[in-house]
Amino acid sequence: AQKVTQAQTEISVVEKEDVTLDCVYETRDTTYYLFWYKQPPSGELVFLIRRNSFDEQNEISGRYSWNFQKSTSSFNFTITASQVVDSAVYFCALSGGNQFYFGTGTSLTVIP
Amino acid sequence: DVKVTQSSRYLVKRTGEKVFLECVQDMDHENMFWYRQDPGLGLRLIYFSYDVKMKEKGDIPEGYSVSREKKERFSLILESASTNQTSMYLCASSSGGAGTGELFFGEGSRLTVL
Repeated sequence: AQKVTQAQTEISVVEKEDVTLDCVYETRDTTYYLFWYKQPPSGELVFLIRRNSFDEQNEISGRYSWNFQKSTSSFNFTITASQVVDSAVYFCALSGGNQFYFGTGTSLTVIP
Repeated sequence: DVKVTQSSRYLVKRTGEKVFLECVQDMDHENMFWYRQDPGLGLRLIYFSYDVKMKEKGDIPEGYSVSREKKERFSLILESASTNQTSMYLCASSSGGAGTGELFFGEGSRLTVL
């Protein structure tokens, strides 16, 4: 069965702190994709990154970085020097077959 | 700018009413999805479609139906709304194999059933 677990329901950090959002997934597929999405207070989910199962290289995009480790079935997301605009709900997702499987989301609040 | 547009941001309906939620995308995507978002439950897939007139059940199809008569439009239908269908409904589309391309989401439709 496909499953995504985001154990952190809510996180609060003070501006400029670094924060890591955890994502653990389960799948029996050998080929799959992992995603992160951001849902700001306005409500529309925004795509952040996609990773396929054969590419374990970590990725950095500005203040955002992602650590994909197949050995631990994890795809963690780190925000460096957090800002108030990073306050949102973040979803990790796994694709398998024709479907996407989402975690329950982590609500991040960055306090000024 | 690419876009997924949902017809209504907020709806209030009464129990037993028939409800239509419309979704239109302008990206010529093959795949379209309807999700339901509830606090603590994340996003749950109701139905998806990978081609015109094709539909597949997701995880929670009970009480819902869908229609895809044109490539750009995917409608979610609640035949007889119930209070437990009060939720945020999200439409999304993607290209390529249904599980490979990233999803583009609409702004959501918040439905309240009284």
